[in-house]
Amino acid sequence: QSVLTQVPSVSGAPGQGVTISCTGTTSNIGAGYGVQWYQQLPGTAPKVLIYGATNRPSGVSDRFSGSIFGTSASLAITGLQADDEADYYCQSYDNSLGAWVFGGGTKLTVL
Amino acid sequence: QVRLQESGPGLVKPSGTLSLTCTVSGGSIGNNIYYWGWIRQPPGKGLEWVGSVYFSGSTYYNPSLKSRLTIFVDRSKNQFSLKLTSVTAADTSVYYCARHSTTVSSNFDSWGQGTLVTVSS
Repeated sequence: QSVLTQVPSVSGAPGQGVTISCTGTTSNIGAGYGVQWYQQLPGTAPKVLIYGATNRPSGVSDRFSGSIFGTSASLAITGLQADDEADYYCQSYDNSLGAWVFGGGTKLTVL
Repeated sequence: QVRLQESGPGLVKPSGTLSLTCTVSGGSIGNNIYYWGWIRQPPGKGLEWVGSVYFSGSTYYNPSLKSRLTIFVDRSKNQFSLKLTSVTAADTSVYYCARHSTTVSSNFDSWGQGTLVTVSS
């Protein structure tokens, strides 16, 4: 059971958009510790897509965007491409655990 | 550009000690704006933060692993290491080393490629 809750899977057709949600509590996302999103392609290490809930590192496509509201955050992906098929994880800090925490991950399938 | 590389045995016996080292290149582990951490991922499952260390030796451990875990830094070799004792099959995972900044809202911005450690007799 992960501290941050994500739906296990989402899917979309090429060119469409999807949103992946991450639900936390007042001890993590709601406490203002920010949210990061990572993309993990099969057999590779995770790569940061979004940091501080809404910021993209240089080199990350603007098809990826993040938002935050209260104790939840979302990752939106527009114009789906086949190579977007991956696992996506949210991450924050939890002050009741004193630990950096991850969501359980969402597998994106591009139909 | 900083690069991280994990090394260590790929097979550990149950009740034994899992030991891994992360070698940092392209940057100094003594940089005071970063923590150096370990994250693991059981086969087919999600990510779990294991623990992190600062260049001074200060450590931050996942409470669920704290009693079995030691993480330390060797500045002379630009390396940091993990030791996890009394391992069981549940500790079988890909172990990643990663860098993150010294704020609680930090992200893990650079990762090693990961190394699979299997606990089995």
